Amino acid sequence: AQTVTQSQPEMSVQEAETVTLSCTYDTSESDYYLFWYKQPPSRQMILVIRQEAYKQQNATENRFSVNFQKAAKSFSLKISDSQLGDAAMYFCAYRDYSGGGADGLTFGKGTHLIIQP
Amino acid sequence: DAGVIQSPRHEVTEMGQEVTLRCKPISGHDYLFWYRQTMMRGLESLIYFNNNVPIDDSGMPEDRFSAKMPNASFSTLKIQPSEPRDSAVYFCASSFLRGRRDTQYFGPGTRLTVL
Repeated sequence: AQTVTQSQPEMSVQEAETVTLSCTYDTSESDYYLFWYKQPPSRQMILVIRQEAYKQQNATENRFSVNFQKAAKSFSLKISDSQLGDAAMYFCAYRDYSGGGADGLTFGKGTHLIIQP
Repeated sequence: DAGVIQSPRHEVTEMGQEVTLRCKPISGHDYLFWYRQTMMRGLESLIYFNNNVPIDDSGMPEDRFSAKMPNASFSTLKIQPSEPRDSAVYFCASSFLRGRRDTQYFGPGTRLTVL
């Protein structure tokens, strides 16, 4: 079974600074997706960024970028120019693609990100 | 589109009662997922459907839990009988698999409290 580990229960960063959230995963599959989801206090789950395992290029979405290291099974999220609205729980998630269809997500336990004004 | 709709948003019930959670996926989506979030276990996948057919229910914790999708626009998750340890936030998500890409869009969740 696949597992996703987020080793940082909580992180704090000053507004406008850069912060990196860590995620490692374990799988025997070669074809999969990785995601970062944001969950603000409203508890709505919001997709931040997606990475396809077969793509070597790291995904970026505006101020959000990832460092995907497939051999090390590492998938970190970098948030640049942190804003107060970035404060939330961040979940790393894995989805297998070996069956060719969609699948349920496997989530890490989450990192609580605090933005200091 | 209104997004994924879940009802009720909050449910408080007593142990032993039947609970039914409802979900309306985004129109045109062909996958529907149910997740549960607790402090102890985090976010867990319970079951998912493709074109109204259950594909993987390995995450359903016990026989007390059942899920149905009678049509493309409606799904239910039922707990009978409910127990205090079922207290959690239950999320429904839907997606449309286009080629290799799909994005799961989550509903706002139902917070269930079993007394």
